[in-house]
Amino acid sequence: KQEVTQIPAALSVPEGENLVLNCSFTDSAIYNLQWFRQDPGKGLTSLLLIQSSQREQTSGRLNASLDKSSGRSTLYIAASQPGDSATYLCEGNYGQNFVFGPGTRLSVLP
Amino acid sequence: DTEVTQTPKHLVMGMTNKKSLKCEQHMGHRAMYWYKQKAKKPPELMFVYSYEKLSINESVPSRFSPECPNSSLLNLHLHALQPEDSALYLCASSQPGLAQETQYFGPGTRLLVL
Repeated sequence: KQEVTQIPAALSVPEGENLVLNCSFTDSAIYNLQWFRQDPGKGLTSLLLIQSSQREQTSGRLNASLDKSSGRSTLYIAASQPGDSATYLCEGNYGQNFVFGPGTRLSVLP
Repeated sequence: DTEVTQTPKHLVMGMTNKKSLKCEQHMGHRAMYWYKQKAKKPPELMFVYSYEKLSINESVPSRFSPECPNSSLLNLHLHALQPEDSALYLCASSQPGLAQETQYFGPGTRLLVL
């Protein structure tokens, strides 16, 4: 069974810190992996998509990496801001079988 | 246009009511999805339509009935719901078969069943 886990479940950091969110998946036969952000009560906003043939993707202060052999992906956030406070979800795509991790709830304190 | 729209934004219904949720996308995507999300939990897949055919039904109770009238529209018909069905219902779309297949999500419908 394909499972995705995320650690930590929650994280609180002071503004300006660099931080790493972790995502692990049990089945390495992944088509791609997507990182989302979700604000309370809202829909999901796509942040980065990494295809199975790629090692990393960057967008602004965000950098996501993918290591299929170890079944891991990380989301690196540089110079965190209070506006980054949200829940971050990773999702594995196994060919129209999309599997979400439970999310990491991030609080960035001013 | 990379937008998925959902209506209504909020819905309150009694257990004997019949209502429908609507989802629309104009990105030409041929796969559309319904998810249910409870507070502080990840979205749970309910239904997947691929090329207007129901391809995945994750053992959802029959009080939820999906409909895909055309490639741009997805409905979720609700009847005789229970209070535990109160949740955020999310719609998503994607274009199947691409290595870079990305799901685009709508803002959701917040449903409260009394």
